[in-house]
Amino acid sequence: SQQGEEDPQALSIQEGENATMNCSYKTSINNLQWYRQNSGRGLVHLILIRSNEREKHSGRLRVTLDTSKKSSSLLITASRAADTASYFCATTRHSGGYNKLIFGAGTRLAVHP
Amino acid sequence: EPEVTQTPSHQVTQMGQEVILRCVPISNHLYFYWYRQILGQKVEFLVSFYNNEISEKSEIFDDQFSVERPDGSNFTLKIRSTKLEDSAMYFCASSENGVGGANVLTFGAGSRLTVL
Repeated sequence: SQQGEEDPQALSIQEGENATMNCSYKTSINNLQWYRQNSGRGLVHLILIRSNEREKHSGRLRVTLDTSKKSSSLLITASRAADTASYFCATTRHSGGYNKLIFGAGTRLAVHP
Repeated sequence: EPEVTQTPSHQVTQMGQEVILRCVPISNHLYFYWYRQILGQKVEFLVSFYNNEISEKSEIFDDQFSVERPDGSNFTLKIRSTKLEDSAMYFCASSENGVGGANVLTFGAGSRLTVL
């Protein structure tokens, strides 16, 4: 089945450093989204990139998409302790499963002051 | 900021009992979803719902599960006879249009289900 898979599973950095998380998927997609989840809470949408886009920015977030490699990356620049959370990529299939957003296993990011 | 609300926040039940989890999606959203997350694991898709019928469902969403929009505001997930492995956080989400059309999900805070 088509799923996003993130790596690394866990990432620990110091405040001010950049954090890069990667996501790979298996089948053609319509779009790829990144969500954030604070511990025990609901997911919050961060950014969406369409299959015909290569890069997108939102504040300190930068997302890239390489459809030839079926991969995406999320870069958080100048990280803060408040960025500590789990980050998930999620995809919708290009054909079939149009109303199904499938999440990867997530990357647990810890930002230390 | 409009939000998705879920009740109860935590429910403890005995194995074999029926459970209903409730959600109030954002009022102008047309698509509704249930996901579950077993502690420390990935967020798993259960079902999507549009125009009063199931749009997509996963292998997890078997005959023990059902969804309903009983009125204009609530969206419910029923588990008929709970099993120990149903213990998880259940998230409701809604979107203005289908996610395939580059729409994003707004999630509720979740309902934690503990089956004893």
